[in-house]
Amino acid sequence: GNSVTQMEGPVTLSEEAFLTINCTYTATGYPSLFWYVQYPGEGLQLLLKATKADDKGSNKGFEATYRKETTSFHLEKGSVQVSDSAVYFCALSHSGGGADGLTFGKGTHLIIQP
Amino acid sequence: DTGVSQDPRHKITKRGQNVTFRCDPISEHNRLYWYRQTLGQGPEFLTYFQNEAQLEKSRLLSDRFSAERPKGSFSTLEIQRTEQGDSAMYLCASSPGTVTDTQYFGPGTRLTVL
Repeated sequence: GNSVTQMEGPVTLSEEAFLTINCTYTATGYPSLFWYVQYPGEGLQLLLKATKADDKGSNKGFEATYRKETTSFHLEKGSVQVSDSAVYFCALSHSGGGADGLTFGKGTHLIIQP
Repeated sequence: DTGVSQDPRHKITKRGQNVTFRCDPISEHNRLYWYRQTLGQGPEFLTYFQNEAQLEKSRLLSDRFSAERPKGSFSTLEIQRTEQGDSAMYLCASSPGTVTDTQYFGPGTRLTVL
């Protein structure tokens, strides 16, 4: 079945550091891939997505590239801010577009220190 | 657009009792999803509706769980004979209903079974 594996947290970085959160997946077919973010006290929000191989999703300085050959969708940001502190979830769709249910990873808690 | 709303936000119940949660999706969103999230884990897909039709149910949705969306607008999730293992955050999401749609999540209902 489908599954998502992402790096364990918490990940603690200093402000302006480079961020990478690893995500790999197992899926049949051609899933769409997503990063969701959950800020303290708030609901899940879509951060970015990619719907086919080699697509790059980007938003708020974050980027992730859909790598079919390595079944990965790593999240990166060049310079993190304290306000980026949150829990980040990698997810894939059961179907190609994301209209069906999503399979999530366990989440990575990111802590940015000033 | 007021976003996805869920009621109640918190529910404490005793083992063996029945509970019902409500989700109001974003207006005119055709698809509605239910997920469950336990502490330290990512959301797990339970079921989803296209208008009033329930199109997919996860194996996680035991016989004690039932979901409805009678008029294709709001949805209810009922858990009968609650068990301590049902303690979790229950999340609702909605999407407009086309193939590549983003799912928008509500704040969740936190269930505690004593």
